[in-house]
Amino acid sequence: GQNIDQPTEMTATEGAIVQINCTYQTSGFNGLFWYQQHAGEAPTFLSYNVLDGLEEKGRFSSFLSRSKGYSYLLLKELQMKDSASYLCAVPLAYSGAGSYQLTFGKGTKLSVIP
Amino acid sequence: DADVTQTPRNRITKTGKRIMLECSQTKGHDRMYWYRQDPGLGLRLIYYSFDVKDINKGEISDGYSVSRQAQAKFSLSLESAIPNQTALYFCATSDPTGLSNEQFFGPGTRLTVL
Repeated sequence: GQNIDQPTEMTATEGAIVQINCTYQTSGFNGLFWYQQHAGEAPTFLSYNVLDGLEEKGRFSSFLSRSKGYSYLLLKELQMKDSASYLCAVPLAYSGAGSYQLTFGKGTKLSVIP
Repeated sequence: DADVTQTPRNRITKTGKRIMLECSQTKGHDRMYWYRQDPGLGLRLIYYSFDVKDINKGEISDGYSVSRQAQAKFSLSLESAIPNQTALYFCATSDPTGLSNEQFFGPGTRLTVL
């Protein structure tokens, strides 16, 4: 089965760097997703890692270590608008042709303060 | 126009009432999903559909039913609503041929059962 752990809350200062960790246990690995969700809004896709290593996308980077069951999301040059929940998710089952059911972690609520 | 739409956006109802939440998409995706989100519990999968004639139970399907009327429409029904079904409900779609395998979420329906 799937088990996903991430911190419940984090606080960071505007302009700083913050790392949000996610550990997972899964019977079969098919990649790891990060989503951003502002309060009361829909989750939006940030990244998808299927291979080990760091993938950078502007101010956001995502790291994966499959052997350790570990990922992190790195946010640089924090802005007030980055205050949101960050959801880690892994596929529950692979149905073929690239589609998955996702199991989500409970999310990390990030507060960016001046 | 939004690619994934949900109606209604907010609904207050009473225990025992039948409720239908509707989801429509213009993305042309075959795969559609219904999730509920509760504070402290994260997103949990209720039902998913990979095609018009395909319906699958998710993690928490008890008390819910779905209908996939067309590729673009996926409805969630609560036959007899109860207070613990008060939650934020999200519909999502995905493209099995997409490189990132991401899911695209609708804006959500906030349901309150009194």
